[in-house]
This record gives sequence, C-alpha cells and structure tokens, in this order.
Amino acid sequence: DQQVKQNSPSLSVQEGRISILNCDYTNSMFDYFLWYKKYPAEGPTFLISISSIKDKNEDGRFTVFLNKSAKHLSLHIVPSQPGDSAVYFCAAKGGAGGGSNYKLTFGKGTLLTVNP
Amino acid sequence: EAGVVQSPRYKIIEKKQPVAFWCNPISGHNTLYWYRQNLGQGPELLIRYENEEAVDDSQLPKDRFSAERLKGVDSTLKIQPAELGDSAVYLCASRGQGKPGANVLTFGAGSRLTVL
Repeated sequence: DQQVKQNSPSLSVQEGRISILNCDYTNSMFDYFLWYKKYPAEGPTFLISISSIKDKNEDGRFTVFLNKSAKHLSLHIVPSQPGDSAVYFCAAKGGAGGGSNYKLTFGKGTLLTVNP
Repeated sequence: EAGVVQSPRYKIIEKKQPVAFWCNPISGHNTLYWYRQNLGQGPELLIRYENEEAVDDSQLPKDRFSAERLKGVDSTLKIQPAELGDSAVYLCASRGQGKPGANVLTFGAGSRLTVL
C-alpha cells in the first residue's frame, strides 16, 4: 500500500511559467513533509520542507502548500527555469510504529521538464 | 563539508555473484540509512542505523542482504548471491541532530547495480 502518492509521472512547462507538482498521502500520522530534487546519476537533494502545523512554506522561487484535511501537498516553482528540470520526490516523515519519526517514505516522483 | 560518499558508483555483475557497497556519512551524523531505488520508483528504506545499532531492518531481505556499521561511522551493504531483481540504485543517507537537520536526510550519489 503506497502511503505517499505522486500521480503525475511527468510535467512539462514553459520557462517563466509556474510549475505545480502534487502529492497525496494516506497516513494521517505523518507530521513533516519534504521535497527532494534528483538529477540523473545523482542522489536526491533536499529542496524544501513543511511541518504539519503549517500550511505554507516559502523559499525563494519554491513554495510548498499543505492541506491536511485533504491529505494533499503541492510544490510551486515560480518562475520555472530550465535548470529546474529534474525528478521531484515528495517524502513524508512519521507514521505509526517504532522509529517512524526517523525515516522518510517517498512517492514515485514526477519528472519536470522546463522548456526554454 | 564533505557530503555522503558512496562507492562504487556503478557495478555490473552476473547473477549469483556477491556484491558490496560502501558508504561514508557526513561527519558527526549518527543516523545512517540504506535505501533502494528501483527504476521509475521512489527510494525505499532497507535499513536504518543509530550509531552502530541497526534499529530498523524490517525491509531488508535478510536471506541475501546484510549490512554492518561496526564503528558507528561508515557502513557496508552486501548482497550474496545477487539476483536479477536486485538491479537498482542503492542510496546511502545520513541525518544530523538538532534543527533543522534532524528532519532532513542527506543522500549520497548512489551505487547503481546491474545484475546480468
């Protein structure tokens, strides 16, 4: 059972426009959410995060929104740049079970392509 | 500050052969993770160490996989014998203490395994 879902395998946007990447989760015990970016042949790198007690966190061109009632979060990139082209993973921390506060559960990722 | 270092970056072996991957986490990071990423999927946790103790290995296929972190610093993940389905990228990550690092895992570049 997949607890973190990214239902869009890919997204293509024009340079300068907004990119919106979506993520849904099923486990209401998750208390912290992160977005990672991954370039080919590299490991995932941390991008931005949000605690479950907040509904928005902003860092430069990147904003993450959290809707707890809908168990949904989204990553907005404005304006999008060609260098943003990568796979974006949504991850959640927490959940039931011992040690769950110290592991991340990942979605399958969304490939973002920003066209010049 | 050096990041998480993994080796080898690439490994091609025939099925039934053994293989080992090495990881050196960020200095001072007590928590070390091994994740496996299959093609088109997100990373999935194999094992988590707190210092030298394996505290979460429920997802590690123990019939063929083993891991160790003898001195609580670097770690080795071994597969013996390898099967075709083991082809994947093996990611090592470490986690620091205190805010904001406590919630963020830093990943290495990964070791890509191809089993023929």
